[in-house]
Amino acid sequence: GEDVEQSLFLSVREGDSSVINCTYTDSSSTYLYWYKQEPGAGLQLLTYIFSNMDMKQDQRLTVLLNKKDKHLSLRIADTQTGDSAIYFCALRDYNKLIFGAGTRLAVHP
Amino acid sequence: EAQVTQNPRYLITVTGKKLTVTCSQNMNHEYMSWYRQDPGLGLRQIYYSMNVEVTDKGDVPEGYKVSRKEKRNFPLILESPSPNQTSLYFCASSWGIIGAQFYGYTFGSGTRLTVV
Repeated sequence: GEDVEQSLFLSVREGDSSVINCTYTDSSSTYLYWYKQEPGAGLQLLTYIFSNMDMKQDQRLTVLLNKKDKHLSLRIADTQTGDSAIYFCALRDYNKLIFGAGTRLAVHP
Repeated sequence: EAQVTQNPRYLITVTGKKLTVTCSQNMNHEYMSWYRQDPGLGLRQIYYSMNVEVTDKGDVPEGYKVSRKEKRNFPLILESPSPNQTSLYFCASSWGIIGAQFYGYTFGSGTRLTVV
């Protein structure tokens, strides 16, 4: 089955860019997603990219997809303390979303 | 407000005592699903439902039951909870699996269950 991997922790300085990476094994997913989980809350859809795209930009967020390497990344420009959260990469596998383990982003002054 | 509501938010119970975690959505979504979240493992699907009276197992269904008698409700039942079911549980819904591609899932706020 599909396997999705992420690094577990990332620490950045406020104002810097954050890059969260994700690798996956099955390339048949049509859509790939990034979800954000703030403390004590459920997951919130942040953005998604269609599999025939290489890049998608949405304000401070940039998603890059390298299908050859099966690599997905989320770049957050001008990272703020409010961006501190766990970020999940997810892929659709027919009747469910398959999630990575999540990357905890810590933003420090 | 469009939302998925789970209850309770926190629950401590003893091994073997049956419990039900409720999930309700007010968006007329067809698709509903339960996930559990464990450290280092991400979210794993327990059960899902494509519509009323249509349910199926996810990746980790052992020890759980579900029912979908009405479109808005999708309760998760633990007939005989065990300590390895201590976890954070999320209910999610979407406009069918096709709609989920565009809008993703709407998640509840989670239920933190501890089985002692």
